[in-house]
Amino acid sequence: TQLLEQSPQFLSIQEGENLTVYCNSSSVFSSLQWYRQEPGEGPVLLVTVVTGGEVKKLKRLTFQFGDARKDSSLHITAAQPGDTGLYLCAGNTGGGNKLTFGTGTQLKVEL
Amino acid sequence: DTAVSQTPKYLVTQMGNDKSIKCEQNLGHDTMYWYKQDSKKFLKIMFSYNNKELIINETVPNRFSPKSPDKAHLNLHINSLELGDSAVYFCASSRGASGSDTQYFGPGTRLTVL
Repeated sequence: TQLLEQSPQFLSIQEGENLTVYCNSSSVFSSLQWYRQEPGEGPVLLVTVVTGGEVKKLKRLTFQFGDARKDSSLHITAAQPGDTGLYLCAGNTGGGNKLTFGTGTQLKVEL
Repeated sequence: DTAVSQTPKYLVTQMGNDKSIKCEQNLGHDTMYWYKQDSKKFLKIMFSYNNKELIINETVPNRFSPKSPDKAHLNLHINSLELGDSAVYFCASSRGASGSDTQYFGPGTRLTVL
């Protein structure tokens, strides 16, 4: 069974701080996605990374796929209260569109 | 203009009952999914249908039976509900069953079994 471990599990920071969330596995993924989920809603896709070593930026968010395609990181610069939510990574092994989700990181950004 | 909708939003029921959750997507997608999110927020795939055909069937008790009457609908029927079935159930859809097809999630159905 593939397992995607995220760290930290919980993160509470002040507005303006930087943070990094990690997603690690012993399995190789053909692609890896990051989602954000807000209370009472479903996850929303933020980004998909496909190539080992790939870096993608989405405004203040920077996503990186590990060279071996087993891990990924999400870095947020100058966090804002609107960044608060549950961040989930999800790996696709290439067998159809079956996603294996990570254990989740609950982020809270306070004023 | 809701893309993926689920009913009901909340469902509270007694152990042993049978209940259904409905899902509809108006995106014209061919593939739909059911996920279960437990109390620790862990999200796990249960089923997936592509063009009304079952393509993913994870290790789920056979008390859970999905039904896809057409491409736009995927319902989940649960027999003999147990306490451990309490969770948030999410429906999702994607254009196709390829790994490059983005999955769009519904708002979830919070099921509480007493």
